[in-house]
Amino acid sequence: GQNIDQPTEMTATEGAIVQINCTYQTSGFNGLFWYQQHAGEAPTFLSYNVLDGLEEKGRFSSFLSRSKGYSYLLLKELQMKDSASYLCAVRDSNYQLIWGAGTKLIIKP
Amino acid sequence: SQTIHQWPATLVQPVGSPLSLECTVEGTSNPNLYWYRQAAGRGLQLLFYSVGIGQISSEVPQNLSASRPQDRQFILSSKKLLLSDSGFYLCAWSVGDRGELFFGEGSRLTVL
Repeated sequence: GQNIDQPTEMTATEGAIVQINCTYQTSGFNGLFWYQQHAGEAPTFLSYNVLDGLEEKGRFSSFLSRSKGYSYLLLKELQMKDSASYLCAVRDSNYQLIWGAGTKLIIKP
Repeated sequence: SQTIHQWPATLVQPVGSPLSLECTVEGTSNPNLYWYRQAAGRGLQLLFYSVGIGQISSEVPQNLSASRPQDRQFILSSKKLLLSDSGFYLCAWSVGDRGELFFGEGSRLTVL
């Protein structure tokens, strides 16, 4: 079966750095997405990786290793507004998106 | 720019009552459209997707149905709601090869 694993919850301190990991087992691979979802709101697109390596976008970076079935989202200079759930999703060989359950990130002052 | 709207934002319905959630997209043509459901602590579950008018693919057998009467309109319906239909429903659209999803505001359904 297809599976996306990410930690359920993480806690970090304002101003610090946090890394949210995502491992996947899917039938084929056609890209990995990270979304941010604030409580009670819809997810918003953060990043897309299809080749191995690091994609940087401001305070957020996303890394992919296809051989290891692994990605991480790195958030720097954490702000209180970064408190949200972060969803990892992989597009499989049929171009269907497989979603993880999300990681709830709690930022403390 | 492209926008997506869905409504209503919240609704409380009794078991056995009908349901209609509507979603419209503006600023793009021939988008792929999706209905997802999100239960607490679980990943997004794809319910339906559509690549064009009148073309609906169902991913999960259930008492829900979807229709696409116009290019940029997507409707989720039920004739008789079940308790298990409670959840957060999300409409989304995508275009292009990369295919990232853009979501509507969401509709929170509580079935009592």
